[in-house]
Amino acid sequence: GAVVSQHPSRVICKSGTSVKIECRSLDFQATTMFWYRQFPKQSLMLMATSNEGSKATYEQGVEKDKFLINHASLTLSTLTVTSAHPEDSSFYICSASLLAGGSDTQYFGPGTRLTVL
Amino acid sequence: GESVGLHLPTLSVQEGDNSIINCAYSNSASDYFIWYKQESGKGPQFIIDIRSNMDKRQGQRVTVLLNKTVKHLSLQIAATQPGDSAVYFCAERPTDKLIFGTGTRLQVFP
Repeated sequence: GAVVSQHPSRVICKSGTSVKIECRSLDFQATTMFWYRQFPKQSLMLMATSNEGSKATYEQGVEKDKFLINHASLTLSTLTVTSAHPEDSSFYICSASLLAGGSDTQYFGPGTRLTVL
Repeated sequence: GESVGLHLPTLSVQEGDNSIINCAYSNSASDYFIWYKQESGKGPQFIIDIRSNMDKRQGQRVTVLLNKTVKHLSLQIAATQPGDSAVYFCAERPTDKLIFGTGTRLQVFP
């Protein structure tokens, strides 16, 4: 099946610093990637949709200046959490959309655990 | 909207029994539905999907049932195994985005 990786898997940072998370589709090209955030014991909440070569589309309530998304190629999207604060601590998960056989399926990365001190 | 819940619904089953996990979806425009399995500290793993023109689809040990009349989706796992222990999410796709349900924790005991 299609494989999506994320790096790093865990990161701990000080309040006020920025953190970059990478999402890669390893064996397929993804025109669309999605970024989700998941708080403990809650469901995945979509943050933004990232299309290669264009600006990301953010969901309501997600600050685009705080969560910078770059989709530089068909296999790489990055999420940068700028000026991170403790309330940004969460599990960040990306997915990549694979179009095959007339339908598209989202394949998820393993997630990145961000802890802001 | 934001899912608020300090406790996930939990389904406890004995190893070898069948499990049924239910999900109510909200958008009648959704034409595609997926079940995901998420183990602790990992990303969601695709289990099975179904389109709105079907009411049942079977995979290996899993079956998804779709009732569009009442906007209900279920996942049946046959002969549940300890490795099935995880949180299960349904997701609907009314547009090009997925909307996840609140999740159900499946606990398998010997």
